Amino acid sequence: QKEVEQNSGPLSVPEGAIASLNCTYSDRGSQSFFWYRQYSGKSPELIMSIYSNGDKEDGRFTAQLNKASQYVSLLIRDSQPSDSATYLCAVRASGSRLTFGEGTQLTVNP
Amino acid sequence: DTEVTQTPKHLVMGMTNKKSLKCEQHMGHRAMYWYKQKAKKPPELMFVYSYEKLSINESVPSRFSPECPNSSLLNLHLHALQPEDSALYLCASSITGTGSFEQYFGPGTRLTVT
Repeated sequence: QKEVEQNSGPLSVPEGAIASLNCTYSDRGSQSFFWYRQYSGKSPELIMSIYSNGDKEDGRFTAQLNKASQYVSLLIRDSQPSDSATYLCAVRASGSRLTFGEGTQLTVNP
Repeated sequence: DTEVTQTPKHLVMGMTNKKSLKCEQHMGHRAMYWYKQKAKKPPELMFVYSYEKLSINESVPSRFSPECPNSSLLNLHLHALQPEDSALYLCASSITGTGSFEQYFGPGTRLTVT
């Protein structure tokens, strides 16, 4: 079992729809959870961090964390073509290491 | 301001060359990281510096040599690289290397080894 698993993708949604990206992790002691967006040929950009159970909203983005189910998700409301990118889920269990999922490629169609 | 800068943006080097990648941040962060990213794969951690001391080396070959001259600068010295080392090299920083923290990435250096 991989430490961090994401929807294999690619995920395609129409403009204006809600895009739902999912991530599960294996280390129950994980403390911090992050979503990065990476455009093709660019570096990862931190878009959300979440540390406690529940929802965290920032503009059109909502991160959801359920530690009992070892599950974290990212919802993108009113998806725009500019949201088309690869989304990386990253988890920190302890120490300095972030463990990344393989990423989910999202395409938003106009 | 969450800016991490990296130079150069692109680098082409032969297998016998010696070159260096540079990274700088002025956010007062005390942890800095080097990652390697191949196409369509997530970043792979190479090194972590915490308070200017090397705290993690992920069994990286000795042809990669990190250096942290001060709390704002991080270098990666390259020597006798192989074509399979061609990748995007990313620098990142965070407030500290422990506790809940957010890592911010620089734009990366695209390295091609010929």
